[in-house]
Amino acid sequence: EAQVTQNPRYLITVTGKKLTVTCSQNMNHEYMSWYRQDPGLGLRQIYYSMNVEVTDKGDVPEGYKVSRKEKRNFPLILESPSPNQTSLYFCASSSPSGNTDTQYFGPGTRLTVL
Amino acid sequence: SQKIEQNSEALNIQEGKTATLTCNYTNYSPAYLQWYRQDPGRGPVFLLLIRENEKEKRKERLKVTFDTTLKQSLFHITASQPADSATYLCALPNGSGNTGKLIFGQGTTLQVKP
Repeated sequence: EAQVTQNPRYLITVTGKKLTVTCSQNMNHEYMSWYRQDPGLGLRQIYYSMNVEVTDKGDVPEGYKVSRKEKRNFPLILESPSPNQTSLYFCASSSPSGNTDTQYFGPGTRLTVL
Repeated sequence: SQKIEQNSEALNIQEGKTATLTCNYTNYSPAYLQWYRQDPGRGPVFLLLIRENEKEKRKERLKVTFDTTLKQSLFHITASQPADSATYLCALPNGSGNTGKLIFGQGTTLQVKP
């Protein structure tokens, strides 16, 4: 089954404790993205990657890091989480074929930073 | 920069009626526009894409129109059912080219009452 998986699905942590949210896709997609979703603000792109070792900032990259060492994986790293990073996070992948950027989203990770 | 406006107020309609949701953008006309469905706590799911040279696109009970003069897309669900209750997001490319960068509207929540 074609899918994007994220782990963990739920995470409660404390300020300053480094964490990583993993994302993996099995569709051989070149593009992968991380979004955060907040009430009243909608989905905002954090980082995206067009291929292995190619990443770029989205609209809200501050406080986040990413890496793309393998095509299928795109982990999101919070080196020193803060309460304003409490949010619902989605990983997504897409293929450049067809020029449509159709996004396939993961199930989401609900992060709470105390 | 491009901005998307969707009605933030929930749309409540009776089962069997046609639901019409609006997506307005403020800047350049995009090469295409997408609509997604999102259920509470879950990732968005792609529904339909319409390109700038297409006036209308249909898929089963769904219909999307794209008016580049008005800078607007309308999303219609005919013969609506309670199962159609969800939040609907529109999205368009953030910039030119197929880069994997999309911007999303905040979404409109549809509630279909039996």
